[in-house]
Amino acid sequence: EAQVTQNPRYLITVTGKKLTVTCSQNMNHEYMSWYRQDPGLGLRQIYYSMNVEVTDKGDVPEGYKVSRKEKRNFPLILESPSPNQTSLYFCASSFNMNTEAFFGQGTRLTVV
Amino acid sequence: GIQVEQSPPDLILQEGANSTLRCNFSDSVNNLQWFHQNPWGQLINLFYIPSGTKQNGRLSATTVATERYSLLYISSSQTTDSGVYFCAVPNSGYSTLTFGKGTMLLVSP
Repeated sequence: EAQVTQNPRYLITVTGKKLTVTCSQNMNHEYMSWYRQDPGLGLRQIYYSMNVEVTDKGDVPEGYKVSRKEKRNFPLILESPSPNQTSLYFCASSFNMNTEAFFGQGTRLTVV
Repeated sequence: GIQVEQSPPDLILQEGANSTLRCNFSDSVNNLQWFHQNPWGQLINLFYIPSGTKQNGRLSATTVATERYSLLYISSSQTTDSGVYFCAVPNSGYSTLTFGKGTMLLVSP
């Protein structure tokens, strides 16, 4: 089944403790991206990647890192999480920006 | 950047009723998607519809790209249709999807 898989689905962590949210797609898509969704602010892009080893900042990249060492995986790294990074996170993939995008199930992150 | 406006912001329906959700966008696009965010937060793909009309069961969508709008029709609504409906288009640099603020739909039994 074609899908985008994020893990974990839910995470509660403490300020400053490094964490990684994984994202994997099995559709051989070149384009992948991360979004965060916050009440009143909608979905905002954090980082995107047009292909392996090619990443770029989105609208709200501060406090996040990404890597794209292989086509199927695009992990999101929070090296020192803070409470303002409490949010619902989505990973998405598509062949390119003119084709249908598919989203992962979402990761609810709470930083205390 | 491109602006996406959805209407209405909120909608309450009785089960069995029909509804039309609208998405206006400020610039020409080659890609438009409709999503349903269910109460558990998952974003479900409904339609990829740059132009024309598509149907999937009780749902259908029409995009008139030349007039910069898209419509999502829900017929014979069910309680499981509740949630938030988003439309999204690529920004001018084709680096991100720009989402509308969504229409929150509540279908009561």
